[in-house]
Amino acid sequence: DAGVTQSPTHLIKTRGQQVTLRCSPKSGHDTVSWYQQALGQGPQFIFQYYEEEERQRGNFPDRFSGHQFPNYSSELNVNALLLGDSALYLCASSDGNNEQFFGPGTRLTVL
Amino acid sequence: SQQGEEDPQALSIQEGENATMNCSYKTSINNLQWYRQNSGRGLVHLILIRSNEREKHSGRLRVTLDTSKKSSSLLITASRAADTASYFCATDIPTGFQKLVFGTGTRLLVSP
Repeated sequence: DAGVTQSPTHLIKTRGQQVTLRCSPKSGHDTVSWYQQALGQGPQFIFQYYEEEERQRGNFPDRFSGHQFPNYSSELNVNALLLGDSALYLCASSDGNNEQFFGPGTRLTVL
Repeated sequence: SQQGEEDPQALSIQEGENATMNCSYKTSINNLQWYRQNSGRGLVHLILIRSNEREKHSGRLRVTLDTSKKSSSLLITASRAADTASYFCATDIPTGFQKLVFGTGTRLLVSP
């Protein structure tokens, strides 16, 4: 049983560009959450998707958007990248009631 | 903003010793979860303790929860070099949706 997978592993972009990160949830999970983790900090909640709808959002600007597909996989899009967007982006899946299981993350570097 | 604060920020011990990490939080919770993170990679789920539970065990891990003090502790017994990692507590706050709010983490170094 595959756990949560994310792609790509690493990504380097320049300021102003756009990026798309992908996540496949653990089998049987229908809820996907995205977190941003800056170096030396704990993860910060970006948003959560359930039934293809964003149902909760953290304190992130509209440059951060997402999508959930019918197979429960999800994308995180970030537009007009800033240097401060450099971070580890983590995807987590759950069945909505219990533990959240995290993927290995995507390391985004903005130059 | 961070909901929780882990204490200490860093901990250095020898193999075989016990390691205790504490977490304090600010609001009421549904549950509290502890995670481990190696070298800035993905988070590994360790244990979940619900708000109506006071103590849980899993292998060498023991977690306590005191909702009156809004605090939790994670005890790792007989530590190993492989336990070297950052440890985070995360609270699932009652928003109607499952949302984790993480603390700042404790960096544990276990020396052989």
